[in-house]
Amino acid sequence: ETGVTQTPRHLVMGMTNKKSLKCEQHLGHNAMYWYKQSAKKPLELMFVYNFKEQTENNSVPSRFSPECPNSSHLFLHLHTLQPEDSALYLCASSQDYGGSSGANVLTFGAGSRLTVL
Amino acid sequence: KQEVTQIPAALSVPEGENLVLNCSFTDSAIYNLQWFRQDPGKGLTSLLLIQSSQREQTSGRLNASLDKSSGRSTLYIAASQPGDSATYLCAVRSGSNYQLIWGAGTKLIIKP
Repeated sequence: ETGVTQTPRHLVMGMTNKKSLKCEQHLGHNAMYWYKQSAKKPLELMFVYNFKEQTENNSVPSRFSPECPNSSHLFLHLHTLQPEDSALYLCASSQDYGGSSGANVLTFGAGSRLTVL
Repeated sequence: KQEVTQIPAALSVPEGENLVLNCSFTDSAIYNLQWFRQDPGKGLTSLLLIQSSQREQTSGRLNASLDKSSGRSTLYIAASQPGDSATYLCAVRSGSNYQLIWGAGTKLIIKP
């Protein structure tokens, strides 16, 4: 496979469940990102990992817990979510992080559509 | 604080027309501006990247322009086709931490 792969594509969970989203990139990129996309709103950056170290956490509630075991894999662990957390969760990667060159252009996965009941 | 606005939120035009999508930003101190395309249920695909020193970029039937002083960018699509139907997002990279600030997108429908 090439590019950025996200699984599962769709997830329905209750407020008391624990689930995880997975992202894998086959591009040799060093930085990986989690974004939240809600209807008719701009993308919200959640977390950034650069060389598997967390470099940004944009005041995300603790019910979202990221994990980056290596530069190719990124997880988002979910527990005790709220209905307002229902959204499309997008993973992205870039060659580099923290600059303005073309190496910082993001490649996105297809997203995981999450519904919290 | 940088803010990015895309108007209109939705646009429907007949096939074959040339069209312009708009993106405006409040702080002209940007590093670059990018246009992305998002198909329903899919992720985003980068279309064009314009560095702050550039005025425009072209790729096939797409042409993006940048006017930093007025805080505006346009994405021109020539001879539109039904396959161009998608949501188009612009994002500005600015700030000391090179943050990407996103617009909410324009949903484009090309009618056959």
